[in-house]
Amino acid sequence: QVQLQESGPGLVKPSETLSLTCSVSGGSISPYYWTWIRQPPGKGLEWIGYIYYSGSTNYNPSLKSRVTISVDTSKKQLSLRLTSVTAADTAVYYCARSWRGMDVWGHGTSVTVSS
Amino acid sequence: EIVLTQSPGTLSLSPGERATLSCRASPSLASSYLAWFQQKPGQAPRLLIHGASSRAAGIPDRFSGSGSGTDFTLTISRLEPEDFAVYYCQQYGSSPWTFGQGTKVEIK
Repeated sequence: QVQLQESGPGLVKPSETLSLTCSVSGGSISPYYWTWIRQPPGKGLEWIGYIYYSGSTNYNPSLKSRVTISVDTSKKQLSLRLTSVTAADTAVYYCARSWRGMDVWGHGTSVTVSS
Repeated sequence: EIVLTQSPGTLSLSPGERATLSCRASPSLASSYLAWFQQKPGQAPRLLIHGASSRAAGIPDRFSGSGSGTDFTLTISRLEPEDFAVYYCQQYGSSPWTFGQGTKVEIK
């Protein structure tokens, strides 16, 4: 059974870069889309972007200038990089597999942006 | 960008009752790439419905989805205690993918 595990620092300073990793176990990276989603405290869900297993990407225009998603198929890991963070980037960050809908999710990792 | 508007914001019902949740798309979805998720406090969302009406693996048949174009519905035929949660619709047919703001189903 496929499982996803997000990891990364829980605290990031304003103006710095947020970097998260999503490790995939129990299944293959291909032929899926792999998505990052975030949820600010007490609020709804926001799609950040996705990467296809082959490496093509699609980002939310609201974040496009600051976000990079990459995949390392040999390590079965996805990465999210978000630059120039502010308090508005404080959220729980999820990775999810997208096939027929986002059918497998990680538990999420909480990131706080604060000095 | 496709905006999804969910109604009502909160639905107060008793176990055993029928729940009907609405998701309206503007502009309309050209495809049926509409999903529904359930989220409980402290947990990741869980996929219930994809393709507007197809149940995801392991989802009980009391959950059903319908609709096309601008109007979509999630129906829970008889609420079980574990069904009280927040529900989100999401479209993945047009970039950027977008979510509705959520409907909370609470115990009356």
